[in-house]
Amino acid sequence: DSGVTQTPKHLITATGQRVTLRCSPRSGDLSVYWYQQSLDQGLQFLIQYYNGEERAKGNILERFSAQQFPDLHSELNLSSLELGDSALYFCASSVTYSLNTEAFFGQGTRLTVV
Amino acid sequence: GIQVEQSPPDLILQEGANSTLRCNFSDSVNNLQWFHQNPWGQLINLFYIPSGTKQNGRLSATTVATERYSLLYISSSQTTDSGVYFCAVHAGGTSYGKLTFGQGTILTVHP
Repeated sequence: DSGVTQTPKHLITATGQRVTLRCSPRSGDLSVYWYQQSLDQGLQFLIQYYNGEERAKGNILERFSAQQFPDLHSELNLSSLELGDSALYFCASSVTYSLNTEAFFGQGTRLTVV
Repeated sequence: GIQVEQSPPDLILQEGANSTLRCNFSDSVNNLQWFHQNPWGQLINLFYIPSGTKQNGRLSATTVATERYSLLYISSSQTTDSGVYFCAVHAGGTSYGKLTFGQGTILTVHP
């Protein structure tokens, strides 16, 4: 158990819908990262938050947004879903924002858009 | 950005065999991690090893930062070692966190 908790584990939804993925970081970790793993793109960095503030953005679509709350949990919102958004979404956490320390990953949320 | 290349892409072993997986990266790093993604999709931390050598049971890893590569050794492989092994790095000199992943090595261990 990495200590990073993601819910739900599985999600099936229809095209055009909106979903929210939730992540609780390890105790003491201030940074949260979101990654997307699809068959054709591998593991791609989406966005990083540190202590409630957006720190870095990767290949995140405009239809996607995220936030980190005062209790440090984070949510990734995916809207106007398309078939191509089907993927495994991971959350990771670390102590620092510069990733010169180890990052730990949650078990992922498997999103299927039908 | 930094490039990460893993080899071989696929590896098939009989139980009990040893193997070496390689990760090459194109720039200096201040974080290098090895992960095992099991058949259920979980990413399991194996090593945090920006430099030096570490061992954990049948697994060990070595990173030679000056030559920009890392090796993961699996000895006496077991069927439970099957899955995808990822190397991920964080480029040195950046002030935010982003792990760049290689494409992975798919390991299949047959009984």
